Amino acid sequence: DIQVTQSPSFVSASVGDTVTITCRAAHGISSWLAWYQQKPGRAPKLLIYDASRLQSGVPSRFSGRGTGMDFTLTISNLQPEDFATYYCQQANSFPLTFGGGTKVEIK
Amino acid sequence: QVTLRESGPALVKPTQTLTLTCTFSGFSLSTSGLGVSWIRQSPGKALEWLALIDWDDDKYYNPSLKPRLTISKDTSKNQVVLTVTNVDPVDAATYYCARTLSTVTTNWFDSWGQGALVTVSS
Repeated sequence: DIQVTQSPSFVSASVGDTVTITCRAAHGISSWLAWYQQKPGRAPKLLIYDASRLQSGVPSRFSGRGTGMDFTLTISNLQPEDFATYYCQQANSFPLTFGGGTKVEIK
Repeated sequence: QVTLRESGPALVKPTQTLTLTCTFSGFSLSTSGLGVSWIRQSPGKALEWLALIDWDDDKYYNPSLKPRLTISKDTSKNQVVLTVTNVDPVDAATYYCARTLSTVTTNWFDSWGQGALVTVSS
């Protein structure tokens, strides 16, 4: 299994802030990483795939970078609707695995 | 518009078999590059991928659960079924089905169902 480790697990931020979440894969996975947003009681929503490609309809304040083992999700100009839990997922090999999640809360 | 909906029992007893059905619309599971996965989330926990069936009827399972899982599809009905045998209280979770964009190198989930909450208790 390719384990993926997210950090931090929790971040407190204010509207307008920039937040960066990191995901590290235990082995190199090229650019095969996706990011999801999940709000309480809701299913996850795809934000970014192939490490940096924005899913259709996702605001441009979300951006992804990285290749190999290290990846980041950056949320610029944080909006009230962005307070949620974010997960990364390695998409390269089976079993497909998710990070432990990062909860973004209002400061 | 792609939609998926999970259905199945809300409560199962330990040692029983759990059968979940994903009914979808807006795409065909005979289309190259598409699949449907099952993913679960225990209360307050992270996401765990369980299984994937693709357009070519190839099946992939999480090794940690593989002996207990079976995934199948009925293309004509636009349904994917997951069975989990010998359930235990640790299998209590919200079970999601998700459309999977599946290539040789990458698999990600672009549309999800609302989830089905399953409790395991005698």
